[in-house]
Amino acid sequence: QQPVQSPQAVILREGEDAVINCSSSKALYSVHWYRQKHGEAPVFLMILLKGGEQKGHEKISASFNEKKQQSSLYLTASQLSYSGTYFCGTEPDPKAAGNKLTFGGGTRVLVKP
Amino acid sequence: DGGITQSPKYLFRKEGQNVTLSCEQNLNHDAMYWYRQDPGQGLRLIYYSQIVNDFQKGDIAEGYSVSREKKESFPLTVTSAQKNPTAFYLCASSIALNEQFFGPGTRLTVL
Repeated sequence: QQPVQSPQAVILREGEDAVINCSSSKALYSVHWYRQKHGEAPVFLMILLKGGEQKGHEKISASFNEKKQQSSLYLTASQLSYSGTYFCGTEPDPKAAGNKLTFGGGTRVLVKP
Repeated sequence: DGGITQSPKYLFRKEGQNVTLSCEQNLNHDAMYWYRQDPGQGLRLIYYSQIVNDFQKGDIAEGYSVSREKKESFPLTVTSAQKNPTAFYLCASSIALNEQFFGPGTRLTVL
Protein backbone atom coordinates (compact mmCIF):
# COMPACT_ATOMS: atom_id res chain seq x y z
CA GLN A 1 0.00 0.00 0.00
CA GLN A 2 1.20 3.46 -0.95
CA PRO A 3 2.51 5.70 1.86
CA VAL A 4 0.57 8.92 2.43
CA GLN A 5 2.36 12.24 2.15
CA SER A 6 1.21 15.53 3.63
CA PRO A 7 0.76 18.28 2.80
CA GLN A 8 0.14 17.81 -0.91
CA ALA A 9 1.60 21.22 -1.65
CA VAL A 10 3.31 24.05 0.17
CA ILE A 11 4.40 27.56 -0.83
CA LEU A 12 7.28 29.18 1.04
CA ARG A 13 9.18 32.43 0.99
CA GLU A 14 12.93 32.08 0.77
CA GLY A 15 14.31 31.54 4.26
CA GLU A 16 11.14 29.99 5.70
CA ASP A 17 10.83 26.48 7.11
CA ALA A 18 8.53 23.60 6.19
CA VAL A 19 7.88 20.00 7.20
CA ILE A 20 6.81 17.20 4.87
CA ASN A 21 5.34 14.05 6.39
CA CYS A 22 5.18 10.45 5.16
CA SER A 23 3.02 7.82 6.85
CA SER A 24 2.77 4.11 6.21
CA SER A 25 0.28 1.48 7.38
CA LYS A 26 3.04 -1.15 7.32
CA ALA A 27 6.06 -1.75 9.52
CA LEU A 28 9.04 -0.18 7.83
CA TYR A 29 12.69 -1.02 7.51
CA SER A 30 13.69 2.20 5.79
CA VAL A 31 12.40 5.45 4.34
CA HIS A 32 13.98 7.14 1.33
CA TRP A 33 13.48 10.77 0.31
CA TYR A 34 13.89 12.11 -3.23
CA ARG A 35 13.32 15.48 -4.92
CA GLN A 36 12.19 15.79 -8.52
CA LYS A 37 12.33 18.92 -10.64
CA HIS A 38 9.75 19.24 -13.40
CA GLY A 39 10.52 16.88 -16.30
CA GLU A 40 13.66 15.52 -14.67
CA ALA A 41 14.63 12.36 -12.81
CA PRO A 42 14.27 12.15 -9.03
CA VAL A 43 17.43 12.93 -7.07
CA PHE A 44 18.33 11.17 -3.84
CA LEU A 45 18.21 13.22 -0.63
CA MET A 46 18.31 10.84 2.32
CA ILE A 47 17.77 7.33 3.63
CA LEU A 48 16.60 6.68 7.18
CA LEU A 49 17.02 3.13 8.44
CA LYS A 50 15.41 1.22 11.27
CA GLY A 51 17.70 1.53 14.23
CA GLY A 52 18.56 5.16 13.62
CA GLU A 53 21.15 5.14 10.84
CA GLN A 54 20.87 7.93 8.29
CA LYS A 55 22.59 8.52 4.98
CA GLY A 56 22.24 11.74 3.05
CA HIS A 57 23.91 14.08 0.60
CA GLU A 58 22.43 17.46 1.30
CA LYS A 59 21.91 19.77 4.20
CA ILE A 60 18.33 18.61 4.66
CA SER A 61 17.34 16.85 7.86
CA ALA A 62 14.76 14.16 8.46
CA SER A 63 13.40 11.94 11.20
CA PHE A 64 12.00 8.40 11.31
CA ASN A 65 9.56 7.27 14.00
CA GLU A 66 9.63 3.49 13.69
CA LYS A 67 6.77 2.91 16.13
CA LYS A 68 4.43 5.26 14.31
CA GLN A 69 5.74 4.22 10.88
CA GLN A 70 6.21 7.85 9.99
CA SER A 71 8.99 10.00 8.61
CA SER A 72 9.31 13.75 8.33
CA LEU A 73 11.55 15.82 6.08
CA TYR A 74 12.55 19.27 7.36
CA LEU A 75 13.24 22.10 4.93
CA THR A 76 15.06 24.68 7.02
CA ALA A 77 15.89 28.19 5.83
CA SER A 78 14.57 27.24 2.41
CA GLN A 79 16.37 28.28 -0.75
CA LEU A 80 14.98 28.77 -4.25
CA SER A 81 16.68 25.52 -5.29
CA TYR A 82 14.48 23.59 -2.84
CA SER A 83 11.51 23.96 -5.20
CA GLY A 84 10.30 20.70 -6.68
CA THR A 85 8.24 17.66 -5.81
CA TYR A 86 9.36 15.60 -2.84
CA PHE A 87 8.68 11.88 -2.71
CA CYS A 88 9.10 9.45 0.10
CA GLY A 89 9.74 5.81 -0.69
CA THR A 90 9.12 3.18 1.97
CA GLU A 91 10.67 -0.25 2.27
CA PRO A 92 9.36 -3.09 4.43
CA ASP A 93 11.49 -5.97 5.68
CA PRO A 94 14.11 -6.47 2.90
CA LYS A 95 14.28 -10.20 3.56
CA ALA A 96 10.67 -10.43 2.49
CA ALA A 97 10.61 -8.01 -0.39
CA GLY A 98 14.16 -7.09 -1.32
CA ASN A 99 15.22 -3.53 -1.96
CA LYS A 100 11.81 -2.56 -3.27
CA LEU A 101 10.39 0.87 -2.62
CA THR A 102 6.79 2.02 -2.65
CA PHE A 103 6.54 5.75 -3.32
CA GLY A 104 4.06 8.25 -1.97
CA GLY A 105 2.08 10.62 -4.15
CA GLY A 106 4.49 13.51 -3.63
CA THR A 107 4.51 16.95 -2.02
CA ARG A 108 4.93 19.95 -4.32
CA VAL A 109 7.12 22.67 -2.86
CA LEU A 110 7.43 26.14 -4.31
CA VAL A 111 9.93 28.54 -2.80
CA LYS A 112 9.42 32.17 -3.80
CA PRO A 113 11.93 35.03 -3.53
CA ASP B 1 31.69 9.07 -15.45
CA GLY B 2 29.36 6.46 -13.96
CA GLY B 3 25.64 6.73 -14.42
CA ILE B 4 22.43 5.47 -15.97
CA THR B 5 21.38 6.16 -19.51
CA GLN B 6 17.94 5.73 -21.02
CA SER B 7 16.98 5.89 -24.65
CA PRO B 8 15.20 7.24 -26.47
CA LYS B 9 14.25 10.41 -24.62
CA TYR B 10 10.93 10.62 -26.49
CA LEU B 11 9.08 7.71 -28.07
CA PHE B 12 5.88 7.58 -30.05
CA ARG B 13 3.91 4.40 -30.45
CA LYS B 14 1.00 3.52 -32.64
CA GLU B 15 -1.75 1.47 -31.09
CA GLY B 16 -1.04 -2.26 -31.36
CA GLN B 17 2.73 -1.86 -31.49
CA ASN B 18 5.29 -3.20 -29.06
CA VAL B 19 8.11 -0.81 -28.16
CA THR B 20 11.29 -1.35 -26.17
CA LEU B 21 12.85 1.21 -23.83
CA SER B 22 16.56 0.92 -23.17
CA CYS B 23 18.26 1.27 -19.78
CA GLU B 24 22.01 0.88 -19.27
CA GLN B 25 24.12 1.48 -16.17
CA ASN B 26 27.88 1.41 -15.57
CA LEU B 27 27.69 1.76 -11.79
CA ASN B 28 28.20 -1.97 -11.22
CA HIS B 29 24.87 -2.11 -9.37
CA ASP B 30 23.17 -5.46 -8.92
CA ALA B 31 19.61 -4.14 -8.63
CA MET B 32 17.67 -2.38 -11.37
CA TYR B 33 14.12 -1.05 -11.51
CA TRP B 34 11.50 0.30 -13.89
CA TYR B 35 8.94 2.87 -12.75
CA ARG B 36 6.03 4.54 -14.46
CA GLN B 37 5.04 8.11 -13.63
CA ASP B 38 1.79 9.70 -14.78
CA PRO B 39 1.36 13.52 -14.76
CA GLY B 40 1.20 14.88 -11.22
CA GLN B 41 1.54 11.42 -9.72
CA GLY B 42 4.14 9.42 -7.85
CA LEU B 43 6.32 6.58 -9.13
CA ARG B 44 4.81 3.13 -9.54
CA LEU B 45 7.02 0.06 -9.79
CA ILE B 46 6.65 -2.02 -12.95
CA TYR B 47 9.44 -4.61 -12.66
CA TYR B 48 12.65 -5.00 -10.71
CA SER B 49 15.68 -7.24 -10.85
CA GLN B 50 18.13 -7.95 -8.06
CA ILE B 51 20.49 -10.15 -10.04
CA VAL B 52 21.24 -11.14 -13.61
CA ASN B 53 18.75 -13.57 -15.18
CA ASP B 54 16.18 -12.93 -12.47
CA PHE B 55 13.41 -10.34 -12.14
CA GLN B 56 10.14 -9.84 -10.26
CA LYS B 57 6.86 -8.14 -11.03
CA GLY B 58 6.15 -4.86 -9.35
CA ASP B 59 2.77 -3.30 -8.66
CA ILE B 60 1.73 -2.64 -12.29
CA ALA B 61 3.45 -5.33 -14.42
CA GLU B 62 0.51 -6.16 -16.69
CA GLY B 63 1.24 -5.25 -20.30
CA TYR B 64 5.00 -4.96 -19.75
CA SER B 65 7.92 -7.37 -20.05
CA VAL B 66 11.62 -7.18 -19.16
CA SER B 67 14.84 -9.14 -19.48
CA ARG B 68 18.10 -9.06 -17.54
CA GLU B 69 20.70 -10.91 -19.56
CA LYS B 70 23.55 -8.58 -18.55
CA LYS B 71 24.25 -6.79 -15.30
CA GLU B 72 24.47 -3.46 -17.11
CA SER B 73 21.23 -3.68 -19.07
CA PHE B 74 17.53 -3.90 -18.16
CA PRO B 75 15.30 -3.19 -21.18
CA LEU B 76 11.56 -2.73 -20.81
CA THR B 77 9.08 -3.73 -23.52
CA VAL B 78 5.70 -2.06 -23.55
CA THR B 79 3.40 -4.51 -25.28
CA SER B 80 0.14 -3.96 -27.11
CA ALA B 81 -1.59 -5.44 -24.07
CA GLN B 82 -0.82 -2.24 -22.12
CA LYS B 83 -3.92 -0.24 -22.93
CA ASN B 84 -2.83 3.12 -21.58
CA PRO B 85 0.96 3.33 -21.97
CA THR B 86 1.35 7.10 -22.33
CA ALA B 87 3.57 8.07 -19.38
CA PHE B 88 7.06 9.01 -18.23
CA TYR B 89 9.19 5.89 -17.68
CA LEU B 90 12.11 5.95 -15.27
CA CYS B 91 14.81 3.36 -14.83
CA ALA B 92 16.88 3.17 -11.64
CA SER B 93 19.65 1.08 -10.15
CA SER B 94 21.04 0.55 -6.68
CA ILE B 95 23.21 -1.47 -4.39
CA ALA B 96 20.79 -3.22 -2.03
CA LEU B 97 19.55 -1.11 0.87
CA ASN B 98 21.08 2.03 -0.55
CA GLU B 99 19.96 4.98 -2.62
CA GLN B 100 18.49 4.45 -6.04
CA PHE B 101 20.08 6.30 -8.95
CA PHE B 102 17.64 7.30 -11.68
CA GLY B 103 18.14 7.69 -15.39
CA PRO B 104 16.83 10.76 -17.27
CA GLY B 105 13.62 8.99 -18.33
CA THR B 106 11.76 8.18 -21.52
CA ARG B 107 8.52 9.94 -22.36
CA LEU B 108 6.23 7.56 -24.25
CA THR B 109 3.23 8.81 -26.18
CA VAL B 110 0.63 6.71 -27.95
CA LEU B 111 -0.58 8.21 -31.20
